[in-house]
Amino acid sequence: RKEVEQDPGPFNVPEGATVAFNCTYSNSASQSFFWYRQDCRKEPKLLMSVYSSGNEDGRFTAQLNRASQYISLLIRDSKLSDSATYLCVVNSNSGYALNFGKGTSLLVTP
Amino acid sequence: DTGVSQDPRHKITKRGQNVTFRCDPISEHNRLYWYRQTLGQGPEFLTYFQNEAQLEKSRLLSDRFSAERPKGSFSTLEIQRTEQGDSAMYLCASEDKTNTEAFFGQGTRLTVV
Repeated sequence: RKEVEQDPGPFNVPEGATVAFNCTYSNSASQSFFWYRQDCRKEPKLLMSVYSSGNEDGRFTAQLNRASQYISLLIRDSKLSDSATYLCVVNSNSGYALNFGKGTSLLVTP
Repeated sequence: DTGVSQDPRHKITKRGQNVTFRCDPISEHNRLYWYRQTLGQGPEFLTYFQNEAQLEKSRLLSDRFSAERPKGSFSTLEIQRTEQGDSAMYLCASEDKTNTEAFFGQGTRLTVV
């Protein structure tokens, strides 16, 4: 079993839609959780960290459920510019490495 | 440019040749990572340095791969006797002590022919 698993996608949604991505992780001792965004042929960039209490940044809301080892990302009022791959990231057993999911592709259409 | 810098951006090599990539992290970032990414996959962890010490290596890092960070600043990743399966994007990332965000370079795209 992979350490981080994500919805396979792709997600094709119209502008203005709300879309949610899910992610599960296998290491119950994980302490750090993130969502990264990766545009086509570009490097990953941090979108937001995920905190136990849940956190929001504008149109983006991240939730963490430690009991279920589940992380989610909600994007409200989707924009064309949100089209990208969203990577769920969890720190490893050692605490050093960041383990990435395969990513979920989002395409927002006019 | 004060971001993570990687060189070269692209490398085409013949199978069996050795290649070396360089990563210059953000100044004063003591943590440095190497990742490999293939099409349709997320980045896969290869190795981690804290200052000059290599503290973790993935099982993906076979004996043909070696990484160094001799003075705790820039790092090199060498692949010996390249194979077609080594074709990938090699990403370097650096992070400061607060461990809040890893910044990635633009990567080195390796093609083994």
